Amino acid sequence: EAGVTQFPSHSVIEKGQTVTLRCDPISGHDNLYWYRRVMGKEIKFLLHFVKESKQDESGMPNNRFLAERTGGTYSTLKVQPAELEDSGVYFCASSQEVGFEAFFGQGTRLTVV
Amino acid sequence: GQNIDQPTEMTATEGAIVQINCTYQTSGFNGLFWYQQHAGEAPTFLSYNVLDGLEEKGRFSSFLSRSKGYSYLLLKELQMKDSASYLCALTSGGSYIPTFGRGTSLIVHP
Repeated sequence: EAGVTQFPSHSVIEKGQTVTLRCDPISGHDNLYWYRRVMGKEIKFLLHFVKESKQDESGMPNNRFLAERTGGTYSTLKVQPAELEDSGVYFCASSQEVGFEAFFGQGTRLTVV
Repeated sequence: GQNIDQPTEMTATEGAIVQINCTYQTSGFNGLFWYQQHAGEAPTFLSYNVLDGLEEKGRFSSFLSRSKGYSYLLLKELQMKDSASYLCALTSGGSYIPTFGRGTSLIVHP
C-alpha cells in the first residue's frame, strides 16, 4: 500500500511568486491534514479536510494560503504571493479516523528567497 | 491554550536505555502521541496513550500520567538507527488534531 506522497520534495521560489504543493493521501483516508514546520520551531497545524470539506482551517496563517481537495482525493496547498517567512517544511498527513494514528508524507521543503 | 515541553537534544550510547520526557499543560486532555522523525523523512507513529500507565511495544515503551501532565518515551537496547527526532504531540478539548512539541533530537553514539 502506498503511503502519503507529496510533490515536490523541494521548491525554491522568489518572493512574490506562486507555489502549489500537492499531497496524495493513503487511499481510503477521508481525513487529510496540512502542517508546517518553520526552522527551529514545532510542527504547526494548518488545516484539516474531511473528504472534500474543510473541517478546521484555524491554523492557516493568512489569505495568501489556499488549500483545496476537489473530489476528496488529493489536496493542493497554494501560496500566492509567497513571502520570506513562508519558508519551511510543509507536511501532509492522512488518517482513517480523526484522533488516531496519522500517516505523514515526507514533506515539501519550501524556500522563498 | 496548550504548552508542550521536551528537551531539545539528548545523547546516549548504543545498547543503553534512554528516557525522553514530555511535560504539558492543557485543559480537556484527550490523548498523547509519540512520533519518530529521521532527518528528511516523514514522522512515523510510535505510540498513543489515552490512559495512565506504561504501554510497551518492543524496544519502545510510552508512559503517561495525566494528573502530572507528564509522559515519557523509553527506548531500550539503543541502536544507531534510533538517532532521530522524537516528537510529543497531544490532543485536547474538542479538537482531535494533534498539537506538537518541538521535538527531542536523540543522538546515539557507539
